[in-house]
Amino acid sequence: AQKITQTQPGMFVQEKEAVTLDCTYDTSDPSYGLFWYKQPSSGEMIFLIYQGSYDQQNATEGRYSLNFQKARKSANLVISASQLGDSAMYFCAMREIVRSGANSKLTFGKGITLSVRP
Amino acid sequence: GAGVSQSPSNKVTEKGKDVELRCDPISGHTALYWYRQSLGQGLEFLIYFQGNSAPDKSGLPSDRFSAERTGGSVSTLTIQRTQQEDSAVYLCASSAPSYEQYFGPGTRLTVT
Repeated sequence: AQKITQTQPGMFVQEKEAVTLDCTYDTSDPSYGLFWYKQPSSGEMIFLIYQGSYDQQNATEGRYSLNFQKARKSANLVISASQLGDSAMYFCAMREIVRSGANSKLTFGKGITLSVRP
Repeated sequence: GAGVSQSPSNKVTEKGKDVELRCDPISGHTALYWYRQSLGQGLEFLIYFQGNSAPDKSGLPSDRFSAERTGGSVSTLTIQRTQQEDSAVYLCASSAPSYEQYFGPGTRLTVT
């Protein structure tokens, strides 16, 4: 079974500084994908970034980057140059990759609340 | 294009009543998922549809929960004889093969 662990308490960061949100995972699947989603107070889930277990490079999307350490089973999200609009709940999730082109359910962590201070 | 839509956005029902929640996925997305998010918690998988394959129902918490997807598009999640512990936000998502899931705005269900 897959498991995602997000144990940080509420995080605070000063505007324009960088912040790292921790995520560790556990799976016996040889092939898997890792995701980060943002959930603002309005409630929608917004996809941020994806990392495949066989990807050689760490994923980056604008101000978001994923610090993927496969041996340690961690997939931390780094947000650079924090903005007030980054204040939200952040969820780490993973899915098994059965075969190319297939889909499967996401397993989510409990989330981390990030507050950006002006 | 249009995103995933869900209706109703809010539903208040009395304990013991049945409810139906609707999800309209993004056009062309073959996969559709239902999740449940209780207050302050992460998302809990409920059920997953992929094309014409048999759905993955492994996350449904009891036989009071069921879902169908008609014509490979719209899906309805039905909760029979609702209980107070069913109160949550029910989120639907859809995806194209091997891509990220796009979520709808959710239906907030309150069972009184």
